[in-house]
Order: sequence, then structure tokens, then C-alpha cells
Amino acid sequence: QQQVKQSPQSLIVQKGGISIINCAYENTAFDYFPWYQQFPGKGPALLIAIRPDVSEKKEGRFTISFNKSAKQFSLHIMDSQPGDSATYFCAASMRGSQGNLIFGKGTKLSVKP
Amino acid sequence: DARVTQTPRHKVTEMGQEVTMRCQPILGHNTVFWYRQTMMQGLELLAYFRNRAPLDDSGMPKDRFSAEMPDATLATLKIQPSEPRDSAVYFCASGLRSLAAYTDTQYFGPGTRLTVL
Repeated sequence: QQQVKQSPQSLIVQKGGISIINCAYENTAFDYFPWYQQFPGKGPALLIAIRPDVSEKKEGRFTISFNKSAKQFSLHIMDSQPGDSATYFCAASMRGSQGNLIFGKGTKLSVKP
Repeated sequence: DARVTQTPRHKVTEMGQEVTMRCQPILGHNTVFWYRQTMMQGLELLAYFRNRAPLDDSGMPKDRFSAEMPDATLATLKIQPSEPRDSAVYFCASGLRSLAAYTDTQYFGPGTRLTVL
């Protein structure tokens, strides 16, 4: 019940296309859902996050869509660029926890020029 | 520009040797996490500390791994003895957890790439 399931494992998108990565969770106590971006040789870095009181959050070309009833959330990257090529991790945590994030397995995104 | 620092960045050692990895969290952060990243398992949480006290180390192999925070500016992860299966990238992350500002943002360091031969 603590798992966050992420798909796909890898994704190839043409420049200018839309990249979509999905995550699903079981624990309804989760109330914080961040996405982290990791470039090769670097540590993950927070990209965007959402709380379940809203269904969508947008920051530039990055949007999180959140479906509370389905217990799913997704990351959409509009107008994907080669510079977006990285590994993306979804995660979840709950207020009553000690602040530890439960991470998905990651999606390796390649944006072809 | 505050950031988490980790040393060494790369470590190659032989099986059976002791390995010590160090992390300097962002000044003012009260929570420190240790992760291990491999292709097969992804990001695994090994242990974490709040205000220097260990909160959870259930992700660590107890017989060979140990984590400590000698002071607020230093966290260490030791492996003794090291084994080839310990080869991975080890990340430290820090964060600020408070009841007033509920945010679980973690700031990751650049990692230590460990190779055990």
C-alpha cells in the first residue's frame, strides 16, 4: 500500500511533442505528490508538486494532472525539448509521516530533435 | 546558492574494504536522507535523520551499513565490509520539516558513485 507505481519505464518523444508519464498509488493518506527530474550524473531535483485539493497545476510547459478518485496523477510536458531528456520520478508522502517520500521507479525520457 | 555536498564523488574499492561517504546538508535543514540508486531497484531509502536523531534505518542492511550525524553539518554512511552488490550511486538529501511549513521538498546532493570490485 506504500507503493507508487510509475509508467512507462522509458519514453521517446519527438521535439515539440507532448510527453506523458503516469503514476498510481493505493494509500489514500498520501497528500503531497511531487515530481523530480534527474539528469545523468546529477541528483534528482524537484520539478513540480501538487496537493489533492486541486486537480491540476501548471508551471511553464510542465503540468500535473491529479485524479483523486482514481488515485492517479500524471506529468505532462508540452512542447518537449531535447533539454527535457532526463529521468523523471513521481513520489508521494503524507502529512502524518516523518517527511519521507515514496518514489516511483522512474521514467527515462528521450526527446529526439 | 545553498546546496547539498557529498564526498567523495567517485569511489572504487575492493571487496571487504570499509567505505565512508560524507554529506553536508543545506544549512538550516533539519532532516537528512540517505538513498541508494541502482538500475534494477531505482531509488531506495536507506535511512533518515531529524535534528540529528535517526528516525528510520529499516532500509539499510544492518550487518554492514551504518549511518550517523556527528553534528548538524555532517552526515556519514559507512559500509564495512563492502561487497560488489553494494555498487551503486548513493545520494544524500536534506530538507526542512516543520509543522508550520508543511513541505516535504528534498534537496539532493550530486551523489557518490561507488564501485566495489
